Amino acid sequence: GAVVSQHPSWVICKSGTSVKIECRSLDFQATTMFWYRQFPKQSLMLMATSNEGSKATYEQGVEKDKFLINHASLTLSTLTVTSAHPEDSSFYICSPARDRGGETQYFGPGTRLLVL
Amino acid sequence: AQRVTQPEKLLSVFKGAPVELKCNYSYSGSPELFWYVQYSRQRLQLLLRHISRESIKGFTADLNKGETSFHLKKPFAQEEDSAMYYCALGGSSNTGKLIFGQGTTLQVKP
Repeated sequence: GAVVSQHPSWVICKSGTSVKIECRSLDFQATTMFWYRQFPKQSLMLMATSNEGSKATYEQGVEKDKFLINHASLTLSTLTVTSAHPEDSSFYICSPARDRGGETQYFGPGTRLLVL
Repeated sequence: AQRVTQPEKLLSVFKGAPVELKCNYSYSGSPELFWYVQYSRQRLQLLLRHISRESIKGFTADLNKGETSFHLKKPFAQEEDSAMYYCALGGSSNTGKLIFGQGTTLQVKP
């Protein structure tokens, strides 16, 4: 299967600071990257879809100015949580687009963010 | 509206007992249904998808369009099956976007 990495795996920051999360697809080219958020004991909720070289598409209720997504290359997408607040504390998971054959969707290991 | 419902938050069974994790969906197009599993402290991973009609780790799931269901079944549960299970819905456009159910924690007791 595909290898997807995220960095950092966990981060603690003060309220008001910005945090950047990197997602890399290590062995295939991801033209599309999905970013999900998972609150404790809840399901994954899609935040946004990023396409390489173009602006991200955000789901309803997700502030695009707060969650900046950059997909500059086929192997790297970044999510920046700007001016983080305690309610942004969550588990952020990236997922590159499916294989060309539409077979499987892979997920990163996730980044746990705690905003104090 | 697209929606996935897993009515049970927790399902607790004894080892060797049959397991059925329920999943219902709402989708106007041609659905693609998946089951994902998340073991403790591990990333989400694909368990099976309705298109392949395969059995993974003894689990099977049949898409019932009439009942809009995609229940996950296993005849004899094992302790190592204890995990969080998510049912997910993808669209016929094959974009990879998934809508997840709330998840069901399966607890298999010895």
